Amino acid sequence: KQEVTQIPAALSVPEGENLVLNCSFTDSAIYNLQWFRQDPGKGLTSLLLIQSSQREQTSGRLNASLDKSSGRSTLYIAASQPGDSATYLCAVTGANSKLTFGKGITLSVRP
Amino acid sequence: DVKVTQSSRYLVKRTGEKVFLECVQDMDHENMFWYRQDPGLGLRLIYFSYDVKMKEKGDIPEGYSVSREKKERFSLILESASTNQTSMYLCASSSLGTDLEIQYFGAGTRLSVL
Repeated sequence: KQEVTQIPAALSVPEGENLVLNCSFTDSAIYNLQWFRQDPGKGLTSLLLIQSSQREQTSGRLNASLDKSSGRSTLYIAASQPGDSATYLCAVTGANSKLTFGKGITLSVRP
Repeated sequence: DVKVTQSSRYLVKRTGEKVFLECVQDMDHENMFWYRQDPGLGLRLIYFSYDVKMKEKGDIPEGYSVSREKKERFSLILESASTNQTSMYLCASSSLGTDLEIQYFGAGTRLSVL
């Protein structure tokens, strides 16, 4: 059974810092990996999706990498801002389009 | 823009009531999903559907059923609500084979069962 782990559960950084959020998964037979953002009490917003054949994807200040063989992904956030404060979830797509989620990392960016 | 709409943001029900959570998407997506999200447990898949009148059990289907009579609408049904079904419920949809199968989520329904 696929398991997705995100450590630490929470992170606090000063504004302007570059940071890396980690995600690991146990079964490398995935179709893709997604990073989502969730604001308190809200739904999820897809940030980046990396297909299993890709190594990384970029969107603005965000860069996500995927190392399928080692079961790892990172989300790099450049020049963090207070508006980046949210919970970031990693999810992998396995058979039948089913997503398995990590429990998320709650990021706080201090002004 | 893809829009996934959940009919209620907040819902309070009593133990034993039958509860309907409705989800509508406007992008003609084939796939629709229901999750629940709980502190410390993350998101867990309850049911999903690949097509009209089709449903598949997810990881935690006990105590729930679903209905998909039309492509755009996917309903989650709690036949007899219990306090352990107090949770945040999230609906999602995705397009089979296009959009890189990105799942688009609704805003969520926070259900309290008293």
